[in-house]
Amino acid sequence: GQQLNQSPQSMFIQEGEDVSMNCTSSSIFNTWLWYKQDPGEGPVLLIALYKAGELTSNGRLTAQFGITRKDSFLNISASIPSDVGIYFCAARGAGSYQLTFGKGTKLSVIP
Amino acid sequence: DGGITQSPKYLFRKEGQNVTLSCEQNLNHDAMYWYRQDPGQGLRLIYYSQIVNDFQKGDIAEGYSVSREKKESFPLTVTSAQKNPTAFYLCASTWTSGRPGSYNEQFFGPGTRLTVL
Repeated sequence: GQQLNQSPQSMFIQEGEDVSMNCTSSSIFNTWLWYKQDPGEGPVLLIALYKAGELTSNGRLTAQFGITRKDSFLNISASIPSDVGIYFCAARGAGSYQLTFGKGTKLSVIP
Repeated sequence: DGGITQSPKYLFRKEGQNVTLSCEQNLNHDAMYWYRQDPGQGLRLIYYSQIVNDFQKGDIAEGYSVSREKKESFPLTVTSAQKNPTAFYLCASTWTSGRPGSYNEQFFGPGTRLTVL
């Protein structure tokens, strides 16, 4: 089936640093999403991208829908302790309601 | 407040027993989904339902069953046939119509952690 390759798998950063993570696929998708999951909770949608090349921000978060429609990245600027959690990319093909998920990037922020 | 409720938060089961996980939403969403999450893994789709009285198998449906008798409810039964049921189970819902937008994306419940003793 379709797979999303998300990297890095985990990262440790100092508070205040910027963070970058990405997701790639061999398949084309029409929608890219980024979710954040706190420990023991359900994922929460951060950013949704619907057009190739689209760059969208949500506060300190910025995400882009790759021009080839096979990748997306998420940047977090000036990280703070509450950014800790697992970030998932997800993607959906044309005419489908099903999402394919990456395996997540676990972010740890050192105060 | 609108949202998705999953109960219980923690569930323990003995081997060989069936157990049912509850998922209720008051968002008037059409479609509902069940995912399984294991440590270090992404979310894997178990079953989904786009309308009442209809549901489809996802990628890992073996050992699970569902029903969709009401729009608001989509319970998941983990049967004794599921060989490795210990996991975190997530329910999600969404509309199936309307223009693209973040409000139309899958909204997740808080999850149920199932442990088989």
